[in-house]
Formats: sequence, structure tokens, C-alpha cells
Amino acid sequence: AQSVAQPEDQVNVAEGNPLTVKCTYSVSGNPYLFWYVQYPNRGLQFLLKYITGDNLVKGSYGFEAEFNKSQTSFHLKKPSALVSDSALYFCAVRAQTGANNLFFGTGTRLTVIP
Amino acid sequence: DAGITQSPRHKVTETGTPVTLRCHQTENHRYMYWYRQDPGHGLRLIHYSYGVKDTDKGEVSDGYSVSRSKTEDFLLTLESATSSQTSVYFCAISELWAGTSGNTIYFGEGSWLTVV
Repeated sequence: AQSVAQPEDQVNVAEGNPLTVKCTYSVSGNPYLFWYVQYPNRGLQFLLKYITGDNLVKGSYGFEAEFNKSQTSFHLKKPSALVSDSALYFCAVRAQTGANNLFFGTGTRLTVIP
Repeated sequence: DAGITQSPRHKVTETGTPVTLRCHQTENHRYMYWYRQDPGHGLRLIHYSYGVKDTDKGEVSDGYSVSRSKTEDFLLTLESATSSQTSVYFCAISELWAGTSGNTIYFGEGSWLTVV
């Protein structure tokens, strides 16, 4: 079975500080991994994805994520948080073989404090 | 923006009434999806379509039906709405099946449905 865990419902960080939003996954075999962001009353916007290759993936708005196979993690990071980064972040996973659906985590609400 | 329009954006309906949500895309993508978003559950797939008149069930399909008569339109119908179907519904599209080679799916702005 495939699953995604976002262990923190809420993350608070001061503006200008680095931020990390955590994601761990469980799949059979190798994963495809995604991060999406949702602003209030809006749809999900694609940030970045890991398919294969370099474990550090760079995405939109200065975000990046690091794939760690041994820890089955795909944490989202940004070196310097902006107030405008405050939003709900979703991690999603799909196994490279087998079941076809994307599975989403329950989301982490990031608040950047001015 | 991915060229996806959902309608209505907000709706309040009574228990037992039928409700249809519409998704319209301008990207000519083959695959279309309906998800629901609920607190504590993230997003869950209701139904998806892989072409005109070709649809299949997702993980939470009970109580929902879909239709796709044209490439650009994907309808989600609640035949007899229940309070448990109060949720935010998102339409999504992708060129390829979302589970294939990590193909990215793109989401619409959502439809807020309240069943009273």
C-alpha cells in the first residue's frame, strides 16, 4: 500500500529564516514524489517533483526538496521564508510500478511570522 | 494557470437533492480527475476519465457518478446529496495518466459544496 505522512499539521517560522516542511512516504519500489501549495480559497499549485536522478530538486518560488531514499523522506525546504509563503502544503507520492493513483498527505499549514 | 474552470464555485444544497459540478478545460488534456478535500484527509480521488466516455472509479467513488461527453468537459454528479458530501471538490487534468512516469496533474480553483 502507498501512503504519505506529513507529521506536522502546523509549522511556524520567522520571516527570513529557513523553513522545512516534512514528508515521509511508503511505497513498494521506487517513488515519484510531488509538492503542491494551496493558498486560501484557491486550488493546488504544483511546486516541484522528483522523478529520478539528482536527489535535490529545485522548484518554483525558491523552494527545493531533497529525496532521501534510506529515510523514505522528501522534505520541502526554502533558505529564507517570506510572509507570502504562508499557505497549506501537500506532499504526494506514487509508486513507479503497480497502482496508478497519486496519494496525498493531509497537508501542513505553514505560517511565516513577520 | 492551467486553463481549468470549475462551476459553480460555491453551492449550498439540501439533503437528497441532485447536484452537478462542472469542470471545463482548455488544454486539450486527455486525463481529467475529480478529487475531494476534507480536513485530516488531504485529497482523495473520486473518479477519473481517460478519454471521452471513458471513466473509472477512484478511492471514494460511492455516491458519485461522472460523465465526459467532450474532451473539455468532465461532470461530477451527486445523485442524492448527503451531509457527508459537504466538501471542497477539485477538478484536475494531466496530459498523461497521473501515475505514469510522474506526470504532473494541474488543479482547478475548487468548488465549495455544502449539503444542509
